[in-house]
Amino acid sequence: EAEVAQSPRYKITEKSQAVAFWCDPISGHATLYWYRQILGQGPELLVQFQDESVVDDSQLPKDRFSAERLKGVDSTLKIQPAELGDSAMYLCASSGDNYGYTFGSGTRLTVV
Amino acid sequence: GEDVEQSLFLSVREGDSSVINCTYTDSSSTYLYWYKQEPGAGLQLLTYIFSNMDMKQDQRLTVLLNKKDKHLSLRIADTQTGDSAIYFCAPNPGGGNKLTFGTGTQLKVEL
Repeated sequence: EAEVAQSPRYKITEKSQAVAFWCDPISGHATLYWYRQILGQGPELLVQFQDESVVDDSQLPKDRFSAERLKGVDSTLKIQPAELGDSAMYLCASSGDNYGYTFGSGTRLTVV
Repeated sequence: GEDVEQSLFLSVREGDSSVINCTYTDSSSTYLYWYKQEPGAGLQLLTYIFSNMDMKQDQRLTVLLNKKDKHLSLRIADTQTGDSAIYFCAPNPGGGNKLTFGTGTQLKVEL
């Protein structure tokens, strides 16, 4: 069964450091999403890509977060500098012609 | 924007039925999804319903949609310990690709 791959699975970083997450969507899925899920809450959309183009980044804190999907396949989400409040699960998802999203296992970020 | 509300906790006994409720505010959603999240994991798509349907049954899962009241429910028959997880309701406001997730309902199944 096709999966969305994410790495790393866990990341601990000191505040003010840079951190990056990687996502490889299901092959052929044109739409890719990055969500942030704070403990005890539902996921919130950070950025949506259609192929290599950003469709929606209205909730992305652009002063410290950046996302790219250069060839319209895999994607990287970066935080620089990391803050304590960025501790969360970062989820990547992709969607194609079928209904709904397929999520990856997520990256659990802890900022200390 | 879309506001999606769910009760935080539900506890049931193994073998009983579970009913998880969700209310939403944007009536333009065309699909409404239910996702399951086990501890430390990503979200798994369970089922979905089109907005022009009232009910959908998928094995042990039954989804009911009351579009007038903007109320969605997920019934799990014969609930098992493996059903213990957080369940998220997710409509697609505006009928597009983007989903808005509820706060999640933590289901605990007791023996």
